[in-house]
Amino acid sequence: QVQLVESGGGLVKPGGSLRLSCAASGFIFSGYYMTWIRQAPGKDLEWVSYISSSGDIIYYADSVKGRFTISRDNAENSLFLQINSLRAEDTAVYFCARALGYYDSSGFYQQHYFDSWGQGTLVTVSS
Amino acid sequence: SYVLTQPPSVSVAPGKTARITCGGDNIGNKSVHWYQQKAGQAPVLVIYYDLDRPSGIPERFSGSNSGNTATLTISRVEAGDEADYYCQVWDSSSDPVLFGGGTKLTVL
Repeated sequence: QVQLVESGGGLVKPGGSLRLSCAASGFIFSGYYMTWIRQAPGKDLEWVSYISSSGDIIYYADSVKGRFTISRDNAENSLFLQINSLRAEDTAVYFCARALGYYDSSGFYQQHYFDSWGQGTLVTVSS
Repeated sequence: SYVLTQPPSVSVAPGKTARITCGGDNIGNKSVHWYQQKAGQAPVLVIYYDLDRPSGIPERFSGSNSGNTATLTISRVEAGDEADYYCQVWDSSSDPVLFGGGTKLTVL
C-alpha cells in the first residue's frame, strides 16, 4: 500500500534552515506529482509547493516563494523541502502528499487533488 | 484570489444526515475535493471531482456541486465521523491549490 513518511522537522530559531524529507513506498514514485502542504497549530491546511514527476515543473505558494525549495530523488523514492529564512509563521506540521490530476489540452497537469498523505513532521520556529 | 468559505462547525445527531457546505464564486464550474481530518491525524481524501469516492470510503459519503455551493453529505452519521472536513479546489491563479477554512463536525 502507499506509504509516505516525513522526517526532518524540529525546533529552529528565526532565520534558520531545515531540510524536510518524505520517503515514499508502495507505488511507482517516479510516475507521480508530489506536493507539500502545511498546517499551523489549530489552523487550516495551506498548500506550499508541488513538483512534477520528473522534477522539471515546480510551483510555490506566494507565502514561501524565494525561501523554500522543493526537490525529489526518484532513484531514492524521496521528496524534499529545503526551508530557509524561517519565520514564526512557518511553524506548522508539514505533510507530503501524492497528487493526482489530469493533463489539459496544452499538456499542463492540473486539477490536483491528494489521495495519499504522510503523517507529517512538525517544524517549530522560535527563539 | 479565489476564496472558499466553509461554516466553522456543524452538529448532527447519530443516524442523521450532515451537510457541510463549501461556498465560492461559481464553484460549480470547478472540481471540488473533500478531506476528512481526525484529531492528530493526517487528512484523508473522501470525495474527489465533486462526487467520486475513493475505494474504502463508505457510500454514506457523497458530494454535489452547483452554482456557488459545493456540499459534502454524510448519511447515517456515526460517532467515528467526528472530524474536521476541508474542501479543496484548483484555481488558475497565483496559488493553484486552495483549501477552505475547514468545518468541525460534531456528533451529538
